[in-house]
Amino acid sequence: EDQVTQSPEALRLQEGESSSLNCSYTVSGLRGLFWYRQDPGKGPEFLFTLYSAGEEKEKERLKATLTKKESFLHITAPKPEDSATYLCAVQADSGGSNYKLTFGKGTLLTVNP
Amino acid sequence: EPEVTQTPSHQVTQMGQEVILRCVPISNHLYFYWYRQILGQKVEFLVSFYNNEISEKSEIFDDQFSVERPDGSNFTLKIRSTKLEDSAMYFCASSRFTGELFFGEGSRLTVL
Repeated sequence: EDQVTQSPEALRLQEGESSSLNCSYTVSGLRGLFWYRQDPGKGPEFLFTLYSAGEEKEKERLKATLTKKESFLHITAPKPEDSATYLCAVQADSGGSNYKLTFGKGTLLTVNP
Repeated sequence: EPEVTQTPSHQVTQMGQEVILRCVPISNHLYFYWYRQILGQKVEFLVSFYNNEISEKSEIFDDQFSVERPDGSNFTLKIRSTKLEDSAMYFCASSRFTGELFFGEGSRLTVL
């Protein structure tokens, strides 16, 4: 069974204070690892896909990296508008016609001004 | 920018009643999904749908649940006889092939 564990569960930062969120995973064969942002009462909003160890993707203040066992979401000089829950999900290479995602519980990030 | 739309945004129902949640996936997408999120918990997979049939379903997706693509644009989730524990946010998602799923804003279901 695919499993995704995110840490910490919650993180509080001051504006400008950089940090990283962790996502460790076990999957039979990784097709892709995904990062989403979720605001309260809203649906997950896609951020990044990573496909192979060593890959990195960047978007504004966010950078995602991938190893064979975990992924990190680095947040550089965060702003209050970066406050959200960040979700990590894996897509297994199980064949067939199903590309479902298995999610972790998320990290609730709060950035104080 | 194309998006997944869901209706209703919030539905309140009595236990035992039938509920239908509706979704319009992104138009050129081929794979469709329903997920749910109980308050404070993780986003959980319910069912995936491709080529007019279910391709996978989770243990949560029991006989009370069904999905349908009645026409070329809509994708529905039906819960036949709602229970208190069905109260959750239900998200529809779609994708082209592999790669990212795009989610709607969700339908909040409250069962009284």
